[in-house]
Amino acid sequence: EAQVTQNPRYLITVTGKKLTVTCSQNMNHEYMSWYRQDPGLGLRQIYYSMNVEVTDKGDVPEGYKVSRKEKRNFPLILESPSPNQTSLYFCASSLAGGTYEQYFGPGTRLTVT
Amino acid sequence: GEDVEQSLFLSVREGDSSVINCTYTDSSSTYLYWYKQEPGAGLQLLTYIFSNMDMKQDQRLTVLLNKKDKHLSLRIADTQTGDSAIYFCAERVDNYGQNFVFGPGTRLSVLP
Repeated sequence: EAQVTQNPRYLITVTGKKLTVTCSQNMNHEYMSWYRQDPGLGLRQIYYSMNVEVTDKGDVPEGYKVSRKEKRNFPLILESPSPNQTSLYFCASSLAGGTYEQYFGPGTRLTVT
Repeated sequence: GEDVEQSLFLSVREGDSSVINCTYTDSSSTYLYWYKQEPGAGLQLLTYIFSNMDMKQDQRLTVLLNKKDKHLSLRIADTQTGDSAIYFCAERVDNYGQNFVFGPGTRLSVLP
C-alpha cells in the first residue's frame, strides 16, 4: 500500500530534550516536506527536500533541523524543544512533476512541557 | 509574504450546496489545491486547478478560479454528512521548488 508513515504518533517531552520524528514514504517520491498545524493558522511549511541531500527552509524553520540521506526517509529533528513547538506535525511527499499532489502522513502530536 | 485566507467555519444543511471561499496573494502560482482533512487524519487531495483554467468540475465538486481577484472557491453539491471535515486551500508558490502555502482551513459542518 502506498503510504507515508510517521513515528511516533504521539509524544510528550520536556523542554530541551532532543527528539526526532521519523517520516518514511514507499512511493519513490523525490519531494518531501514537513508541516506544523496550529489552530487558526492552518499548515505552515517547516522544511522541504527536493531530493537526497537537497533541503531548503520553508516558512517556519527556526528550531528545527532535517536531513535527507535516503530518498524514502526525511526525519525532523528538534535539538532543544520548547513549549512553542507544541503542535501537530505532518510529513508529506510528492512526485517532482505533474500536479505535485502531496501525500500526507497521519500526523504526530507533540507536546513540550 | 504569500498569504492564503479562508473563513474558518461553515454550516450547511444536508442536501444543500456548500461554497468554501479562498483568497491568495501570489499571482504567479501555477497550481491551486483543495485538501480535505477528516478528524484525526492527515490531509488528502480533493481537487486542484491549474492557473490557466477558470473552472474545473469533478462529480459533485466545482472549482472556480478568478485570477484577477485572486479568488478560489470550492462548491460541493448535495452536501452529505460525510463531507463534514476541514477544507484547506493551498497554492504552490515556487515554480522551481516545493514551497506551498496553506490557508487556515474551513471547518464544514453538515447538519441533518
